[in-house]
Amino acid sequence: QKEVEQDPGPLSVPEGAIVSLNCTYSNSAFQYFMWYRQYSRKGPELLMYTYSSGNKEDGRFTAQVDKSSKYISLFIRDSQPSDSATYLCAMSHNQGGKLIFGQGTELSVKP
Amino acid sequence: DAGVTQSPTHLIKTRGQQVTLRCSPKSGHDTVSWYQQALGQGPQFIFQYYEEEERQRGNFPDRFSGHQFPNYSSELNVNALLLGDSALYLCASSFLKLLTDTQYFGPGTRLTVL
Repeated sequence: QKEVEQDPGPLSVPEGAIVSLNCTYSNSAFQYFMWYRQYSRKGPELLMYTYSSGNKEDGRFTAQVDKSSKYISLFIRDSQPSDSATYLCAMSHNQGGKLIFGQGTELSVKP
Repeated sequence: DAGVTQSPTHLIKTRGQQVTLRCSPKSGHDTVSWYQQALGQGPQFIFQYYEEEERQRGNFPDRFSGHQFPNYSSELNVNALLLGDSALYLCASSFLKLLTDTQYFGPGTRLTVL
């Protein structure tokens, strides 16, 4: 069993839809949770960073962490075609330590 | 402010050869981590360098080695290349002493082993 599980998709939604992306994990020691966006043939770009449990909002993006359920989510409101990319969840258990990534979910937003 | 840079962009090698990839961290960052990303997979941690020492290492064989220089730039070396080493190699930099643990990635080097 992988430490971090993420549905690879692909996920296709119409423009303007609310997108929900999720990851589950098995290691309760994880304390730092991140979401990265990766366009084709590019490096991952940091979208959201959360320490421990709770919600964080940044523009159209909201990240949620539920440590009791070992479940994290990323919501994208008013999705745009430019949001079409692969979304990677990542987590670590110590400051500055290695990141453990999910497989990534491929998202396509259709005009 | 330049972000993380990596060179070369693409590289083609044959089995058994050796390769060196290079990374310059984001300005102000002192820590460099290397990841391997196979097609359709998430990045996998190779190792991390801080103060010119290997701070942490993932489950990669000794064929993978690295170095960090006094200016914080880093190299990843892979010896005796295998077909399975074909992947996107990503460098990420961070500032270890900062309380927030954010790693910023470069564009990657795409290695093809024939």
